[in-house]
Amino acid sequence: DAGVIQSPRHEVTEMGQEVTLRCKPISGHDYLFWYRQTMMRGLELLIYFNNNVPIDDSGMPEDRFSAKMPNASFSTLKIQPSEPRDSAVYFCASSPPRGVVRETQYFGPGTRLLVL
Amino acid sequence: EDQVTQSPEALRLQEGESSSLNCSYTVSGLRGLFWYRQDPGKGPEFLFTLYSAGEEKEKERLKATLTKKESFRHITAPKPEDSATYLCAVQNAGNNRKLIWGLGTSLAVNP
Repeated sequence: DAGVIQSPRHEVTEMGQEVTLRCKPISGHDYLFWYRQTMMRGLELLIYFNNNVPIDDSGMPEDRFSAKMPNASFSTLKIQPSEPRDSAVYFCASSPPRGVVRETQYFGPGTRLLVL
Repeated sequence: EDQVTQSPEALRLQEGESSSLNCSYTVSGLRGLFWYRQDPGKGPEFLFTLYSAGEEKEKERLKATLTKKESFRHITAPKPEDSATYLCAVQNAGNNRKLIWGLGTSLAVNP
């Protein structure tokens, strides 16, 4: 299996621009997670989906952030408008159904976002 | 409030010098404690999961144990390739998949 795939790997943009991050989970996994990692706050869960449905979005910082999962093999995280404080590494992770392998999350390589 | 604290923040060892990393947790019922390794510029890589107090798991030079309040990850005779940040996360017994993460321990092993 190819593992979790994220694109782009690096993104540099200017404040106010729209940013779209993409994720393809591991085939057969029905949970998908979006995280943000910074030195100060570590890994923060933004939102997670089960069977393409958002289950918990309490970690989404504000209305500028939105996430979608139109099908089992694709998800996007969008920031509009972007701000310098959004600069971080954004990770996508996926997890298998309950009862298969107990709920381990497998991470993608991340997208390094820099907002100038 | 569920919380995870890892110590030390950073650790520098000589090759072959054994040591331990600590992960203390407060959670409303533990469903699982997860150890991950993260190399610079990469995503966290799963190592192992511990489910109940008294449980131990080993992988090469790494051994993890779990008590009711913390987990110790012992590294025996480390090598430079063990240099990485080690992350600990816990999942509570509620019916959800959220993990609560520690800030990690940055380990450097000098040859």
